[in-house]
Amino acid sequence: ELKVEQNPLFLSMQEGKNYTIYCNYSTTSDRLYWYRQDPGKSLESLFVLLSNGAVKQEGRLMASLDTKARLSTLHITAAVHDLSATYFCAVDMDSNYQLIWGAGTKLIIKP
Amino acid sequence: ETGVTQTPRHLVMGMTNKKSLKCEQHLGHNAMYWYKQSAKKPLELMFVYNFKEQTENNSVPSRFSPECPNSSHLFLHLHTLQPEDSALYLCASSQPTGDGNTIYFGEGSWLTVV
Repeated sequence: ELKVEQNPLFLSMQEGKNYTIYCNYSTTSDRLYWYRQDPGKSLESLFVLLSNGAVKQEGRLMASLDTKARLSTLHITAAVHDLSATYFCAVDMDSNYQLIWGAGTKLIIKP
Repeated sequence: ETGVTQTPRHLVMGMTNKKSLKCEQHLGHNAMYWYKQSAKKPLELMFVYNFKEQTENNSVPSRFSPECPNSSHLFLHLHTLQPEDSALYLCASSQPTGDGNTIYFGEGSWLTVV
């Protein structure tokens, strides 16, 4: 069974701290996506990782992909309250336009 | 302004009603999708259309009926729904390229079945 597992599913942290969200997947793929969803809103694309070793950074967020380990990480540096949201990873199956989605990590950053 | 617009944003319907959700994308994409998002469940792909042709139907009950009259518009026709169908329904579009298949979502239609 194809699975995408995110860890943790819930994270509460203080502003200024660093933390990492993990995304493990069970099938061979070299394309992975990170999305953000604010409460009551839709999903917004954050990063597209297209090859082993790919690293993308935007502000306080950095995403990386290790296709051999079937692992992607989303690292948050010096968190600020505005980063509070639910973060999803999704793996591209490269067939029939299907992405396999993780369950999401709900991130709460306290002032 | 989002490139993918959905209407209505909120819908309350009885189990015997017939209603439709509408989606329009202004991005020139060839693929369009319906997703369902329920509390405490992963995002569920319902239907995929590519160049107006349905390429995926993930075992969705027949009470959900999609329609894609052209590459820019997508409908989800709803009839005799159940309370457990209450969820956020997300329309999306994409244009697969060598840079991946980033999916662009609409704001969603919140559906409550009573």
